[in-house]
Amino acid sequence: GQNIDQPTEMTATEGAIVQINCTYQTSGFNGLFWYQQHAGEAPTFLSYNVLDGLEEKGRFSSFLSRSKGYSYLLLKELQMKDSASYLCAVKDSNYQLIWGAGTKLIIKP
Amino acid sequence: DAMVIQNPRYQVTQFGKPVTLSCSQTLNHNVMYWYQQKSSQAPKLLFHYYDKDFNNEADTPDNFQSRRPNTSFCFLDIRSPGLGDAAMYLCATSSRQGIYGYTFGSGTRLTVV
Repeated sequence: GQNIDQPTEMTATEGAIVQINCTYQTSGFNGLFWYQQHAGEAPTFLSYNVLDGLEEKGRFSSFLSRSKGYSYLLLKELQMKDSASYLCAVKDSNYQLIWGAGTKLIIKP
Repeated sequence: DAMVIQNPRYQVTQFGKPVTLSCSQTLNHNVMYWYQQKSSQAPKLLFHYYDKDFNNEADTPDNFQSRRPNTSFCFLDIRSPGLGDAAMYLCATSSRQGIYGYTFGSGTRLTVV
């Protein structure tokens, strides 16, 4: 079966750095996405990785290792507005998105 | 701005009373998706359209139907909503192979009373 694992919840302090991990087992791989979802709202696109390595975009970076079936989202200089759920999703061999359940990130002052 | 628009944002319906949710897009994307998302869960794909080709997920209940009359619009019909159908319903679009991910609408929060 296809499976994406990420921690259910994480807590971090404003101004700090947090790393949210994602591991996946899917039938084929055509890219990995990270989305941010605030409570009661739709997911918004953060990043896309299809090749191994680190993609940096401002305060957010995403890393991929295809051989390990592993990705992480790194958030720097945390702000209160970063409190949200972060969803990892993998596009499989049929170009269908397989979603993780999301990691709820709580930012404390 | 090109976007995906869902109406209404909040919908309250009675148990067993048919309800229709709508989605429109100005992105001219080929593919449109309907997801159901319950609290703290991953979005669950109900069905998607690849142009006019309809693709139903195997575990989508018959109670859920969809229509795509043209490229811009897609509808989700719930024929007889039950209490378990209360959820956020998300419409998303993507280009042919979704290389740049999906663009989501703001979602419709459905309450069944």
